Amino acid sequence: GENVEQHPSTLSVQEGDSAVIKCTYSDSASNYFPWYKQELGKRPQLIIDIRSNVGEKKDQRIAVTLNKTAKHFSLHITETQPEDSAVYFCAANSGNTPLVFGKGTRLSVIA
Amino acid sequence: GAVVSQHPSWVICKSGTSVKIECRSLDFQATTMFWYRQFPKQSLMLMATSNEGSKATYEQGVEKDKFLINHASLTLSTLTVTSAHPEDSSFYICSASYSGFTDTQYFGPGTRLTVL
Repeated sequence: GENVEQHPSTLSVQEGDSAVIKCTYSDSASNYFPWYKQELGKRPQLIIDIRSNVGEKKDQRIAVTLNKTAKHFSLHITETQPEDSAVYFCAANSGNTPLVFGKGTRLSVIA
Repeated sequence: GAVVSQHPSWVICKSGTSVKIECRSLDFQATTMFWYRQFPKQSLMLMATSNEGSKATYEQGVEKDKFLINHASLTLSTLTVTSAHPEDSSFYICSASYSGFTDTQYFGPGTRLTVL
C-alpha cells in the first residue's frame, strides 16, 4: 500500500521568510496530493491540492510542486505570517484507495 | 459551502458505556464518509470508510464490533464506540466527500472522547 513520508517534523521560520515542507510517496499509481492545515484542537482544513496531470499549482502565498518521476511533492509558503503557525499534513492516494497522511509538520512562525 | 459538523464536540463517559458520535454534511450530499482517530501530536489514522447504504470498510487492526459505523443517509454517518475503555480516549474526526477517494475531503471539527 501507499506510504507517505513527511519532513521536517518541526520547522521554525522568521516572519516574512519562506517555509518548505516535503513529502515522498511510494505508490506510483497515486494521483491526488492534498495539503491540510490543522490548528491546535481544530479540524484539518484543505489549503491546496494537486493532481498528477499538473506539476505546480499556486494560490497566493501557497504553492505546491509535484515531481512524479521522483515521487515527491512539496508545499511552499512565502512571506510567512504568525497565523501560518499550525501543523501541516500532506496526503496521497489513487482513485481506489483512501488518503494516506504524512505524520505532519509543526510550523512555527516567529514574529 | 461543504460544511461538516460533528456532535458532540466532547464527551466524558464511564468505562463500559457506549458513546455515539454523529457526523453530518450540512450543505452537500456525501456519498463517502471517513472516520479518523488522532492522538495528541500525531497524524490522522483512518479507522474506516463508509458509503451510504452499505457496510463500512474497516482498516486493519480496527475492531468493527467495537467501533460501529452506520451511514444511513447521504448526510449522516454515526460512529458508536461500544463498551468504551480508557484506551479509547482520543480525538475522533470524520470527513466527507461528494464521492469516492479522490474528491476533496471536508473534515468535521472533531469529538474529544474521554473515558474514565
